[in-house]
Amino acid sequence: SQKIEQNSEALNIQEGKTATLTCNYTNYSPAYLQWYRQDPGRGPVFLLLIRENEKEKRKERLKVTFDTTLKQSLFHITASQPADSATYLCALLNAGNNRKLIWGLGTSLAVNP
Amino acid sequence: DGGITQSPKYLFRKEGQNVTLSCEQNLNHDAMYWYRQDPGQGLRLIYYSQIVNDFQKGDIAEGYSVSREKKESFPLTVTSAQKNPTAFYLCASSKHGQGAASDGELFFGEGSRLTVL
Repeated sequence: SQKIEQNSEALNIQEGKTATLTCNYTNYSPAYLQWYRQDPGRGPVFLLLIRENEKEKRKERLKVTFDTTLKQSLFHITASQPADSATYLCALLNAGNNRKLIWGLGTSLAVNP
Repeated sequence: DGGITQSPKYLFRKEGQNVTLSCEQNLNHDAMYWYRQDPGQGLRLIYYSQIVNDFQKGDIAEGYSVSREKKESFPLTVTSAQKNPTAFYLCASSKHGQGAASDGELFFGEGSRLTVL
């Protein structure tokens, strides 16, 4: 069956450390994968997009990797800050005729001062 | 500032009533989308529109209706036929659409929380 999975347990880390969030998928052929940030009671905000032929993308303190062999994307926040505390969603665009965006449930990140 | 505006932010409805959620964008985007977000479930697509006067059903369209008479506006009506309407509703847009998906970044509104009493 087709699945997209993110860490179900909340991630708690200390300020200044690197947070690493995981997005795994099964039986999809992704054209690209996106990461969004969502704060409680608000809409998601786009962070990064990585295409299936790209290994890594960076934006300021954010880094995304994409391994189509492992069927996994990793999202890293370096030098984390309490303001980074939020839920992070991954979304995969399935390629082919049935192009649709498939969303993970999100991982809650708490950065402690 | 450019963006997407959803209203109202909170809405209460009695059973049997239809309600309409507003979504307006001033980004000059062609494509607009309505999603529903429930605890323990990923975002689910209700309806989408790639161009004015055209829209398509998403994965959970039953009990909902939309219109796209203007590029800027994509209102969603939750009808009395929707069996479990209590949820957080999100409107989004993208510069262009490719079927049910954007061709890149999605811009979301702040959401509308509907509660059925």
